[in-house]
Amino acid sequence: EVQLVQSGAEVRKPGESLKISCKGSGYIFTTYWIGWVRQMPGTGLEWMGIIYPGDSETRYSPSFQGQVTISADKSTSTAYLQWSTLKASDTAMYYCARRMLGYCTTTSCYEGFNYWGQGTQVTVSS
Amino acid sequence: EIVLTQSPGTLSLSPGERATLSCRASQSVSSYYLAWYQQKPGQAPRLLIYGASNRATGIPDRFSGSGSGTDFTLTISRLEPEDFAVYSCQLYGSSPMYTFGQGTKLEIK
Repeated sequence: EVQLVQSGAEVRKPGESLKISCKGSGYIFTTYWIGWVRQMPGTGLEWMGIIYPGDSETRYSPSFQGQVTISADKSTSTAYLQWSTLKASDTAMYYCARRMLGYCTTTSCYEGFNYWGQGTQVTVSS
Repeated sequence: EIVLTQSPGTLSLSPGERATLSCRASQSVSSYYLAWYQQKPGQAPRLLIYGASNRATGIPDRFSGSGSGTDFTLTISRLEPEDFAVYSCQLYGSSPMYTFGQGTKLEIK
């Protein structure tokens, strides 16, 4: 069974650093992209970035480039999202999700995230 | 950058009724790259539809997706109590790689 299990809720002060995790199991971790999605209180979903654990190729949304760092550790099948300097506006729920793979026709491949972590609540407050 | 606009923002219906949700792209896109998600309070999103019209594994057949070009629709044929949730469309593109619509809240009337 494919599972993405995220680390627990975090409370930090502005200016502090933080690294949250997403551990994959039930599949070959290095062969699927893992994305991160932010959901601020009462708002919609925002795609932050994505990593391919096989070679650590990473792509960021322009909105989040330079604001966060996405990484992965193949040895522990874990993806990470980190901040070096948190702001109050980083308060949100953060989800990891696995990109679909192999859903293709002769023309193209479908896109989407078919497995999601349970979410990590990050609260930044003085 | 392609923008996805969902309408309506909130849809109030009763169980048993038909729900029609819209997702409009600011320019023509490939239907391969359009997905729909359902999110219930306190839960992670769940993939409902991929490729604009293909149901994901385990999704009941009362959910259907359609559309092409700039206009896409998610239809729930007969609403069940567990269908009241927020629905979001998502597009795969170039930059950013993925974009979400702002969501439609489907609430009980």
